[in-house]
Amino acid sequence: GAVVSQHPSWVICKSGTSVKIECRSLDFQATTMFWYRQFPKQSLMLMATSNEGSKATYEQGVEKDKFLINHASLTLSTLTVTSAHPEDSSFYICSARDSNKETQYFGPGTRLLVL
Amino acid sequence: AQKITQTQPGMFVQEKEAVTLDCTYDTSDQSYGLFWYKQPSSGEMIFLIYQGSYDEQNATEGRYSLNFQKARKSANLVISASQLGDSAMYFCAMREGLTAGNKLTFGGGTRVLVKP
Repeated sequence: GAVVSQHPSWVICKSGTSVKIECRSLDFQATTMFWYRQFPKQSLMLMATSNEGSKATYEQGVEKDKFLINHASLTLSTLTVTSAHPEDSSFYICSARDSNKETQYFGPGTRLLVL
Repeated sequence: AQKITQTQPGMFVQEKEAVTLDCTYDTSDQSYGLFWYKQPSSGEMIFLIYQGSYDEQNATEGRYSLNFQKARKSANLVISASQLGDSAMYFCAMREGLTAGNKLTFGGGTRVLVKP
């Protein structure tokens, strides 16, 4: 089946640093990718919709200047958490839309711990 | 307003027995899709089953079946012959509209623990 990868799978950083998370569709082109955040024992909350070649659409309450999204190619979207703080510690998951199959596939997720 | 509701935060089920996970949804759209995902402790989201709003028959995928009651706006997941590997979080999700480019909204999840 279709594969979506995320890198890194784990990241620990100091407060104030920026962290970049990559989401790649490995065997299909993804015109749309989605970024979710999941806090412990909670559900997935959509942060933003990333469209190739255009600006991301952010959900209400998500700071676009803090969570920078770039979808520069049909196989790669990146989420950069700028000036990360301990409250940004979470599980970040992306999904990618396979436009040929009208299906979304999830990546394995990235665990971020900000000290 | 919450669009997807899973009322069971956690459930125990005996191995080899069936279990039903509840999911109700709220939408004014006529076209929508309903999904169930399994999330083991590793965190990956595993797609289980999909039901489109216009599908007349309940979806089935192996041991998974979706009890779709449109008038009640419910989409319960039934897992038959539970296995120890079924222990995980289960999320119901809805996509308004039928295209994959539309976002998913997730319910709060149900944790299932299968007892040997």
